[in-house]
Amino acid sequence: EVQLVESGGGLVQPGGSLRLSCAASGFTFRSYAMSWVRQAPGKGLEWVSAIGSGASTYYTDSVKGRFTISRDNSKNTLYLQMNGLRVGDTAIYYCAKEPGTGGAFDLWGQGTMVTVSS
Amino acid sequence: DIVLTQTPLSSPVTLGQPASISCRSRQSLVHSDGNTYLSWLQQRPGQPPRLLIYKISNRFSGVPDRFSGSGAGTDFTLKISRVEAEDVGVYYCMQATQFPYTFGQGTKLEIK
Repeated sequence: EVQLVESGGGLVQPGGSLRLSCAASGFTFRSYAMSWVRQAPGKGLEWVSAIGSGASTYYTDSVKGRFTISRDNSKNTLYLQMNGLRVGDTAIYYCAKEPGTGGAFDLWGQGTMVTVSS
Repeated sequence: DIVLTQTPLSSPVTLGQPASISCRSRQSLVHSDGNTYLSWLQQRPGQPPRLLIYKISNRFSGVPDRFSGSGAGTDFTLKISRVEAEDVGVYYCMQATQFPYTFGQGTKLEIK
């Protein structure tokens, strides 16, 4: 079955760290660009970070220097290392796959909740 | 960053009637490769988003043909020819022409 399964979310204090994982199955993971997209409670979607099939990386300004996206193609897994977490980072974090031609997200995971609170 | 503005933000629709959502960009979404990476997503309550339309007008696999996309440059539209109960949710346009990728604010589709 083609799917993405996120894990690693939880409750963390401001300034803390978390590492999110996204396990991919049912497709040739190494061939596709992947992204993390987040959604704060009751709000819209916000793109966070992307990594190409060649491992080039991109970030939204608000997470640059704090978050690091990476991938392990041998494990079919996408990661998001989040350091220096802020209350404003509280959201559901989704991983999403781009199609071979890029330019959209054709597969989404169910999401993992990250709550930053003291 | 490319700002996408959706209208309306809320759309009460009668079952069986059409619905239309507009998405406008402040700058052209035409990529240097000639493609326009404007897509539409549906998010049903409690669910992750789901791709409906990519590159303006291409319906994704499994998407009913009552959904269609159109537009060019900076103005785009998602149309539902006859709204069904399962179409309730929030609809987002998204551009992937330029980093950072951005989304519209979302349009909530509800049944009258």
